[in-house]
Amino acid sequence: NAGVMQNPRHLVRRRGQEARLRCSPMKGHSHVYWYRQLPEEGLKFMVYLQKENIIDESGMPKERFSAEFPKEGPSILRIQQVVRGDSAAYFCASSLGGGSYEQYFGPGTRLTVT
Amino acid sequence: ILNVEQSPQSLHVQEGDSTNFTCSFPSSNFYALHWYRWETAKSPEALFVMTLNGDEKKKGRISATLNTKEGYSYLYIKGSQPEDSATYLCASDNTNAGKSTFGDGTTLTVKP
Repeated sequence: NAGVMQNPRHLVRRRGQEARLRCSPMKGHSHVYWYRQLPEEGLKFMVYLQKENIIDESGMPKERFSAEFPKEGPSILRIQQVVRGDSAAYFCASSLGGGSYEQYFGPGTRLTVT
Repeated sequence: ILNVEQSPQSLHVQEGDSTNFTCSFPSSNFYALHWYRWETAKSPEALFVMTLNGDEKKKGRISATLNTKEGYSYLYIKGSQPEDSATYLCASDNTNAGKSTFGDGTTLTVKP
């Protein structure tokens, strides 16, 4: 009974490169959430997706960041032209939806921009 | 801007002590209140999610209550054990179910 899976667990990118973070929700879950934890800060909501739909992206930076959750495959958080300030832990969570609010978190991806 | 406040920021107790933490959250457009347990180098573990005013949930020695009218929730740990040492996070879903605003957490240290 696999939980939420994220890969890679650690990602190092040079400034200007692209970062792709993947999240596979728990089996049967169709709702995915992405959160970011900057150094010395708490968890901050980024985006909420259902299959093929973005429900709420009010926490996403306006530029360089995008997220998708295709019909098949994992959810992807994409950061273009990374900068040092993007260094953070990125967590994804999933839920069943349909009135079930409980979110299950993955282990996170730690992005380091050099 | 939605603020979720947790107090105290940190707490040190002796093994066997009972303790409680507070989470205050916006009461407008409320959908759900979550409590998580977060150990260092691990991912947040869901403890409870509550939606109705007056909800009380219990899991072993840990319990939580919810007051949506005044916007607060309490988490109680009875007879703390060293393995309870962790950061306890609360998160409120307002405006949109699923869009969680997290507090900064209460870090509990239980000394043997």
